[in-house]
Amino acid sequence: DGGITQSPKYLFRKEGQNVTLSCEQNLNHDAMYWYRQDPGQGLRLIYYSQIVNDFQKGDIAEGYSVSREKKESFPLTVTSAQKNPTAFYLCASKARQNTEAFFGQGTRLTVV
Amino acid sequence: GENVEQHPSTLSVQEGDSAVIKCTYSDSASNYFPWYKQELGKGPQLIIDIRSNVGEKKDQRIAVTLNKTAKHFSLHITETQPEDSAVYFCAAEKGGGADGLTFGKGTHLIIQP
Repeated sequence: DGGITQSPKYLFRKEGQNVTLSCEQNLNHDAMYWYRQDPGQGLRLIYYSQIVNDFQKGDIAEGYSVSREKKESFPLTVTSAQKNPTAFYLCASKARQNTEAFFGQGTRLTVV
Repeated sequence: GENVEQHPSTLSVQEGDSAVIKCTYSDSASNYFPWYKQELGKGPQLIIDIRSNVGEKKDQRIAVTLNKTAKHFSLHITETQPEDSAVYFCAAEKGGGADGLTFGKGTHLIIQP
């Protein structure tokens, strides 16, 4: 079954902690993306990667970091520098430009 | 960069009626316009897309129209059903754009029985 998998579905973080969200795809897609979703804000781009070992900042990269060591994996770390991390995080992948983006089921992160 | 405006933010229609959601984009280089449906607690799923070389595309009860001159595109859903209730997002992407899609802020579509 081809698709994109995010884990965990729910994540709780204490103040000052770093947490890492997992994103894995078996679609053989080169491009992968991380979005943050807040109520009424749509999807805002955090980071993206067009190829292994390369990634670029999106519109709201501050307080986040990523890595792309393997084609199928694009983990996102929410660092303690992110002042308002509570949100729904979505990972997506695309085969190439101007084609469908496939989304994972999301991770809801809550700061406690 | 690209900016996508989407209206309305909430739309309530009677079951069986039609629903129309409108989006405008700012970058004339954009040439790919998908629409996504998101159900509560899930990731968005593509429902229809259109490229700039066509003006309209239909898939059963769903249609999308594109006006390149005015830089706006619309989603039309006919004969709405309860399962159409969801949040819908429009997006735009330009050719050669490595950063992918720019999304509108979404429309919460409510189908009243």
